[in-house]
This record gives sequence, structure tokens and C-alpha cells, in this order.
Amino acid sequence: QSALTQPPSASGSPGQSVTISCTGTSSDVGGYNYVSWYQQHPGKAPKLIIYEVTKRPSGVPDRFSGSKSGNTASLTVSGLQAEDEADYYCTSYAGSNNPVLFGGGTKLTVL
Amino acid sequence: QITLKESGPTLVKPTQTLTLTCTFSGFSLRTSGVGVGWIRQPPGKALEWLALIYWDDDKRYRPSMKSRLTITKDTSKNQVVLTMTNMDPVDTATYYCAHTEYYTGAYSFDYWGQGTLVTVSS
Repeated sequence: QSALTQPPSASGSPGQSVTISCTGTSSDVGGYNYVSWYQQHPGKAPKLIIYEVTKRPSGVPDRFSGSKSGNTASLTVSGLQAEDEADYYCTSYAGSNNPVLFGGGTKLTVL
Repeated sequence: QITLKESGPTLVKPTQTLTLTCTFSGFSLRTSGVGVGWIRQPPGKALEWLALIYWDDDKRYRPSMKSRLTITKDTSKNQVVLTMTNMDPVDTATYYCAHTEYYTGAYSFDYWGQGTLVTVSS
């Protein structure tokens, strides 16, 4: 099973909004509402910021939001802040034999 | 407070078997819905999911590596062990273990260990 497709990079200025896409197929992103997003700062462990497409864990700012349309999921970061500069990874359930499929990651730069 | 910590060798030789232990606290693998997964990240590259074990001993593996991976749990010690056979330099990576809970975030990992770097070299 191929990894989910994410753009390698994205950028925005402080205060702006940026959206990162995560494209899969009807066998993963399009077939289930089990898309998650992780934020990873350099040298740190990933942090869960979105699960089940749209849900935010406790403590995650509401500047982070998730959505899905067809086979593509999206992460939107509103009101960009300097600390949002990080790598972002999506995952999707892809069936019982491959329950966690990662995307290739997107490096978000805050200009 | 949930914490996880990975332990194991930092250096293994090609063809050897890697054994990593995840020691956790703040939850029990006897609790319905709870699971622990292993994820790795080669230097400068993307995250890759490897394996997952649930409270009921349900086990899942990365399809392309299924023949090389074994995941087990010791609920009395609060540990999950991952073994990976026939190590190769391409398996050089930081290995993470992470907590998941099926009923409140299925197939997502809400708590992670700090990771342990494993280098495969002769």
C-alpha cells in the first residue's frame, strides 16, 4: 500500500491561514473517517492534533481544524503563529490488515 | 498521566534481530480498547507505522514487513516488546512507541515515547 500523498512544503505569514492536503484512495481516506494529523517539531516526538477527521484532542488550539472531501483530507491552520512551524503528517485507516497508513509529511514554514 | 519510554540497543549489526521494549505507565493493557503501537522514522524521512497490539492481544503489522516483525505484551510489567529480524542499514531509524485507545480515537496515537535511535551498521 502506497503512502498517502502530501505536498512536501507549505508556507504562510503570521496571522494567515494555510491548508495542507492529504490524498489517498477510496480504500483509505475516502473509505473511513479515521484520518489523523500529527505535528512534529525537529528532534521531538509527534503530537496528535486531529483525529477522526475533525476532532481535536484536549489542549490543541482551535486554530487547527480538519476536514475531508472524497479521497482527500485537509488540515487547516488558522492565525499562523511562529510555533506552528513544524512537519505535519496525516494518517488514515486502510483496512484491518493496514490500520495505520502515513503520509509523506509536509514541512510548514511560517514566513 | 500517561508516559511511554522505549529502550533497546542503539547499534545492531546487519542480519541481527532487534528487540525493543516499550515501558509505560498511566494506563493498563488490560483495559478494553487500549493499544500500543510502534512507529519509526529514518533520519530526515517520514514516519512509518510498524505494528500495533491491543488489550485483547489482537495484533496488526505493516504488510510489507509482516514476516520480520513480532509484537508482544506483558501486562504484569506494563511492557510491549517489538522484535524485528534480519536488520539492514535501511532500518536505521528512531523508533517510537505510542498509546492508542480504540473507543476514543481509533487508529490514532495520543501519547508517544521520546523515541530511541537505532543504527544498523557493521
